[in-house]
Amino acid sequence: GENVEQHPSTLSVQEGDSAVIKCTYSDSASNYFPWYKQELGKRPQLIIDIRSNVGEKKDQRIAVTLNKTAKHFSLHITETQPEDSAVYFCAASQTSTGSARQLTFGSGTQLTVLP
Amino acid sequence: DVKVTQSSRYLVKRTGEKVFLECVQDMDHENMFWYRQDPGLGLRLIYFSYDVKMKEKGDIPEGYSVSREKKERFSLILESASTNQTSMYLCASSHGSTGNNEQFFGPGTRLTVL
Repeated sequence: GENVEQHPSTLSVQEGDSAVIKCTYSDSASNYFPWYKQELGKRPQLIIDIRSNVGEKKDQRIAVTLNKTAKHFSLHITETQPEDSAVYFCAASQTSTGSARQLTFGSGTQLTVLP
Repeated sequence: DVKVTQSSRYLVKRTGEKVFLECVQDMDHENMFWYRQDPGLGLRLIYFSYDVKMKEKGDIPEGYSVSREKKERFSLILESASTNQTSMYLCASSHGSTGNNEQFFGPGTRLTVL
């Protein structure tokens, strides 16, 4: 099955700086890579996703890049703000088979934005 | 707006008790999932269901069972709770089409087994 590794487990940045979280996956058939944000005491919510037919996707201050050859993808947050402080999870999935319903999650990154 | 609800936010049970966790979604989603969340381990899939009365094992099904008698409801059952099942349990649902994998999560149930 799929295995997703996520680094770092904790990340502290100064407000206004950029943050990068990296994930690697093992199954070359995976083609969908979402990122979820979980604020303290709240449920995880999708913030951005990318499919394997593109190499980069951007939404305001967040972007995700994908390197299929190396089987890794990254989340980039620019101009970080205190409200970006949360746990971020990457995930991987296949969308073209019966296992399309499953996501395999990374272990999470606790991002702290220091004022 | 998708709403996924779970029957309890906090639950305290004793070792050996049978525990039921319920999840309900109101968006007519085909797929429903149960995860447990532990620090440093991320979200680990216990079971999922892609249709009524259908279930598939996830990565850590041992000690758990599930039931899906109605499309909107997915129950997680701990037949005989043990202390190592103390955790946060998250339910999620998603649409059935293979092109849309976004999962919508419930608020979670923090279960403590004494």
